[in-house]
Amino acid sequence: GAGVSQSPRYKVAKRGQDVALRCDPISGHVSLFWYQQALGQGPEFLTYFQNEAQLDKSGLPSDRFFAERPEGSVSTLKIQRTQQEDSAVYLCASSPSPGQGETQYFGPGTRLLVL
Amino acid sequence: QKEVEQDPGPLSVPEGAIVSLNCTYSNSAFQYFMWYRQYSRKGPELLMYTYSSGNKEDGRFTAQVDKSSKYISLFIRDSQPSDSATYLCAMSGGYQKVTFGTGTKLQVIP
Repeated sequence: GAGVSQSPRYKVAKRGQDVALRCDPISGHVSLFWYQQALGQGPEFLTYFQNEAQLDKSGLPSDRFFAERPEGSVSTLKIQRTQQEDSAVYLCASSPSPGQGETQYFGPGTRLLVL
Repeated sequence: QKEVEQDPGPLSVPEGAIVSLNCTYSNSAFQYFMWYRQYSRKGPELLMYTYSSGNKEDGRFTAQVDKSSKYISLFIRDSQPSDSATYLCAMSGGYQKVTFGTGTKLQVIP
């Protein structure tokens, strides 16, 4: 069956540009998570959606980061005025039940490089 | 100090060896303990999760949780070259936020 998909897989941006990263979760999954993974590190939690509601955004590093999931399925992570320190892999994960962090299915990630 | 500590390795073992991977943590609120495998340039793949203390076995993989020591382990029996990957431990308090370790890179040599 179809897993979590993310697009684009690779993105190169000039410093100061805005970028939008897309996540298509597994169909019917209620929970959706975004993570940031720096080179050689584990994923760091950014934000969590239950259906269309963003219930936790405590991990977003600054107000330049914004996420939405308007219809409770596809989600977009937007980064405004990108900085070099934003370079990382951005991972999306989904799970079938509310708040179910322990059974997340991850997408392949979007590798962002800010020059 | 990080909430979850994991030795980054790399760990290199011969094919067929038993592999032991470990994490320590400091947050007593953690109730769910997970192990993920991540191949290069791929997303993490859930191997196992355990609720509270105890052991869980799935094929060649065994997960152990010792909450009194705040210490979790993953054992891989009869390791194969295809097991070569980065192994991430992860933990949560039963709600949505999951905290990951840095990952241990494992290489199984044929």
